[in-house]
Amino acid sequence: GAVVSQHPSWVICKSGTSVKIECRSLDFQATTMFWYRQFPKQSLMLMATSNEGSKATYEQGVEKDKFLINHASLTLSTLTVTSAHPEDSSFYICSAREQRTRHGTQYFGPGTRLTVL
Amino acid sequence: RKEVEQDPGPFNVPEGATVAFNCTYSNSASQSFFWYRQDCRKEPKLLMSVYSSGNEDGRFTAQLNRASQYISLLIRDSKLSDSATYLCVVNGGGYQKVTFGTGTKLQVIP
Repeated sequence: GAVVSQHPSWVICKSGTSVKIECRSLDFQATTMFWYRQFPKQSLMLMATSNEGSKATYEQGVEKDKFLINHASLTLSTLTVTSAHPEDSSFYICSAREQRTRHGTQYFGPGTRLTVL
Repeated sequence: RKEVEQDPGPFNVPEGATVAFNCTYSNSASQSFFWYRQDCRKEPKLLMSVYSSGNEDGRFTAQLNRASQYISLLIRDSKLSDSATYLCVVNGGGYQKVTFGTGTKLQVIP
């Protein structure tokens, strides 16, 4: 099956610093990548949808200036949490959808656990 | 009404039991449907797609009822390893909108 990687798998940082998370589709091309956030015992919440070569579409309530998304190629999208604060501590998961099919399956990365001190 | 609704559970069932989950969706234009499984502190993994004609994979059967706007997942002969949260995923019209249900927690007990 399709594989999506994320890096780093976990990160601890000080309040006020920025953290970049990478999401890569390893064996397929992903026109669209999605970024989710999941707090403990809660469901996945879609943050933004990222299409290669264009600006990301952010969900309501998600600050685009705080969560910078870049989707520079068909296999890589990055999420940068700028000026992170403790309330940004969460499990960030990306997913990628194959280029071939519009209603295709999403494949998830293993997630990045962010802890902001 | 939420776009995708699931009973959060938990469903506590003995090994060998049959258990069924339902998921309702509000957007009648939704195009595709999936069941994902998520283990604690892990990413969701695709369990199966859901087709109008029904879809069976071993002990798992998924059904779609477009008229009533719900999908279901049936697990037969439950195993301890089936313990997880099962997420219903609905892909709306167009390329963009994918909505997750809040998940149904299943605990299979010895």
